[in-house]
Amino acid sequence: SQQGEEDPQALSIQEGENATMNCSYKTSINNLQWYRQNSGRGLVHLILIRSNEREKHSGRLRVTLDTSKKSSSLLITASRAADTASYFCATDAKGSNYQLIWGAGTKLIIKP
Amino acid sequence: KAGVTQTPRYLIKTRGQQVTLSCSPISGHRSVSWYQQTPGQGLQFLFEYFSETQRNKGNFPGRFSGRQFSNSRSEMNVSTLELGDSALYLCASSLSGQGGNIQYFGAGTRLSVL
Repeated sequence: SQQGEEDPQALSIQEGENATMNCSYKTSINNLQWYRQNSGRGLVHLILIRSNEREKHSGRLRVTLDTSKKSSSLLITASRAADTASYFCATDAKGSNYQLIWGAGTKLIIKP
Repeated sequence: KAGVTQTPRYLIKTRGQQVTLSCSPISGHRSVSWYQQTPGQGLQFLFEYFSETQRNKGNFPGRFSGRQFSNSRSEMNVSTLELGDSALYLCASSLSGQGGNIQYFGAGTRLSVL
């Protein structure tokens, strides 16, 4: 079964707007990662956030982690057409023998 | 550094046949993981190899198997293909495993079973 579940399943916004995606998980984790997949560059790592961290930034990306709610959010600010992609969260659950468990992804479409 | 290389990029097979997919990890990476991706299903974990040993295995039937060589290159084999095996198969390498490590993905092998 999938540990991570992204929400929403699909999101369509205008270029320049901010996009927020959420990931919920069921069991305690060591860390959580976000990846992006588009047709041009395949599946690429974006950010890794550890269980003792609450927020991380990378350029226009901001990831938050709330371990009490077992959830994470990915915020993309000032979206661009190139941000059109599917976004996945992957959790390293405690006791999982370090196996990553993936959500089904959020499909983000940026309209020009 | 060269990225993760998967060959072939595309495959068309018929039911009942078998197929072997290949993955060459980034130089120095000892862990190789395999995933199956179908539309709307996200990534389904197949197995992970580390230093030629299978370290983790997902919930796939025994028709799916793999191995890793001493140079860390990995192969995945699917025997007695079924229509439902049509998917994008992704390989990812990392320095020492999935936990806490960034996964670097190849472009994938798209398998079509007719």
